[in-house]
Amino acid sequence: DAGITQSPRYKITETGRQVTLMCHQTWSHSYMFWYRQDLGHGLRLIYYSAAADITDKGEVPDGYVVSRSKTENFPLTLESATRSQTSVYFCASRRVGGAGELFFGEGSRLTVL
Amino acid sequence: DAKTTQPPSMDCAEGRAANLPCNHSTISGNEYVYWYRQIHSQGPQYIIHGLKNNETNEMASLIITEDRKSSTLILPHATLRDTAVYYCIVRVGSGTYKYIFGTGTRLKVLA
Repeated sequence: DAGITQSPRYKITETGRQVTLMCHQTWSHSYMFWYRQDLGHGLRLIYYSAAADITDKGEVPDGYVVSRSKTENFPLTLESATRSQTSVYFCASRRVGGAGELFFGEGSRLTVL
Repeated sequence: DAKTTQPPSMDCAEGRAANLPCNHSTISGNEYVYWYRQIHSQGPQYIIHGLKNNETNEMASLIITEDRKSSTLILPHATLRDTAVYYCIVRVGSGTYKYIFGTGTRLKVLA
């Protein structure tokens, strides 16, 4: 089915490990986004991408790396996970032009021990 | 940068209209206002957006003031399933696609 999917949905890792969260969309949307949401807080923008090979920092980019070699994929990597990165991560996409609403994935819940 | 301000929480009786305010006093002239909601821990769901004129769809109505510095989302007949966190967002800065969500308004619909 067309849509935006995230994997894994749940991940437990240890401090210092590298973790990659995957985001895949089938709409060929140009724009993709990564947000994190901590308990009791709203969504905070980590990184976003306007197209393949074009990325830019959001509100809280430190400790994260992104890449976008293909339009449909936007992986988020924690190169050395820390406990403060325990969070729920949401990926989103939107099309070019018009008002363009964001479409969100179901989220990836990451726990760093 | 354009940002939004919303009350942290609101209650509404079931069947009544829920009116959720949002302040976006620094919005640029060509920027849309978007509303999303998040139920439990699901991904946010788009509700409605507007530029200048009032808008209505099957989910809600959006009233934007003439000076565009504030808006109100109206759920005409709130149900228990409308209990959620509602976010009003605008794009931050022209030529970018930074959508900053903030903490939203937690709406509780009471039976």
